[in-house]
Order: sequence, then structure tokens, then C-alpha cells
Amino acid sequence: GNSVTQMEGPVTLSEEAFLTINCTYTATGYPSLFWYVQYPGEGLQLLLKATKADDKGSNKGFEATYRKETTSFHLEKGSVQVSDSAVYFCALSGALNTGNQFYFGTGTSLTVIP
Amino acid sequence: NAGVTQTPKFRVLKTGQSMTLLCAQDMNHEYMYWYRQDPGMGLRLIHYSVGEGTTAKGEVPDGYNVSRLKKQNFLLGLESAAPSQTSVYFCASSSQRGLAGRNEQFFGPGTRLTVL
Repeated sequence: GNSVTQMEGPVTLSEEAFLTINCTYTATGYPSLFWYVQYPGEGLQLLLKATKADDKGSNKGFEATYRKETTSFHLEKGSVQVSDSAVYFCALSGALNTGNQFYFGTGTSLTVIP
Repeated sequence: NAGVTQTPKFRVLKTGQSMTLLCAQDMNHEYMYWYRQDPGMGLRLIHYSVGEGTTAKGEVPDGYNVSRLKKQNFLLGLESAAPSQTSVYFCASSSQRGLAGRNEQFFGPGTRLTVL
């Protein structure tokens, strides 16, 4: 079946540290991949996406590259800020015969300390 | 343009009570979804709709019913609430334009429900 696995948290980093949150997926067909961010008390917001292999999504200093050979979509940021503290979800959509249904990972909580 | 809104934001129910959660979107999206979010389990799809008058079951539909009488609204009902339904509920919507699976879902702010 279709699924997303992301690294478990919580992750705690100092400000300006490098961030990597691992995400791997299992899917049939050619899905699109997404990273969503959830700030405390809010709904999920799209952070970035990639719709085909080797595409790189980027936004607000975050990047992720769609790697079909390793079925991965790891999220990276070179220098995190306190304001990046949130829960990050990896997701896929568009797997074979599933239309627009999304499959979410369990989320990774990030805390950035000054 | 309010995006996706949810009513209410918080609710406490006693076991056996019923309630309806309302989701509204003003983006003219065809698809709408209801999820529940529980610690350590991410988001799980309860029900979804691909258009006005249509609904379908998701991963965890038991104990819930839905209706989509108007394109902009998607209602989630709990007929007889149970403590296992204590959760945060999110509504989302997406467009059907273009290739399937490429459009992002837009989320509401959530409803925190506690069932005692």
C-alpha cells in the first residue's frame, strides 16, 4: 500500500543549526510529495512540494528533493530559527488509482532554542 | 478570502451526546476532507467528498457521518460520542484542476473535541 515514514521526534536544535528531517515513502505510480508545517494551535500549511523525480521544492529556506531511486524526500534547512519551531509532516498524493487522496507521515516535532 | 474555516473551535461532550462540526471553504474547491489528529498517529482520513452530494469513507469512518449538501460546506457528525473520539479534527479542501494528486490541500484551524 501507500505510506509515508518520517523520522520520529522530538528534535531539538540550537538556533542557526542545520536541520534534516528524513522522509521515505512507499507508493505505486508517480506520486507528488509534500512537506506541511503545523505551528502550535493552527492547521497544517503547505511548506513545499515536488511533483516529479529530481524536482526540488523550496520555501522559506527549506528544501527537499524528490529522489525516486531512494524513495525519499528529506527536508533540510541550513540555519534554523526559533520561529521554525513547529511540527513537520511529510505527505504524498497522486499514487496510482488514489486520485487526490493524501497519505501523511506521523509528524516530526522541532524545537529550536536560542 | 477566509480559506477554510471550522466551527466550533473547541467542544466538550459527554459520552452518548451528538454534535456536528461544520467546515466551510470559499475557494470553490471540489474536494473536501475530514481528518482526525491524534498524538503519534499523524492525520487519519475519516471521510471525504469529491463533489456536492457525494461522500466516501476514508481510513477511520466508524462512528462518524458526513454530508455535502452545498459545494462550500462539509459537515461531520458524531451521532453518539465516545471517549475514543477525543481528538483534534481538521477539515481540508483541494481543487481538482490539473493532474490528480498535484494540488495541495488547504487546512482549517481545527476543532479540539473532548468526550468525557
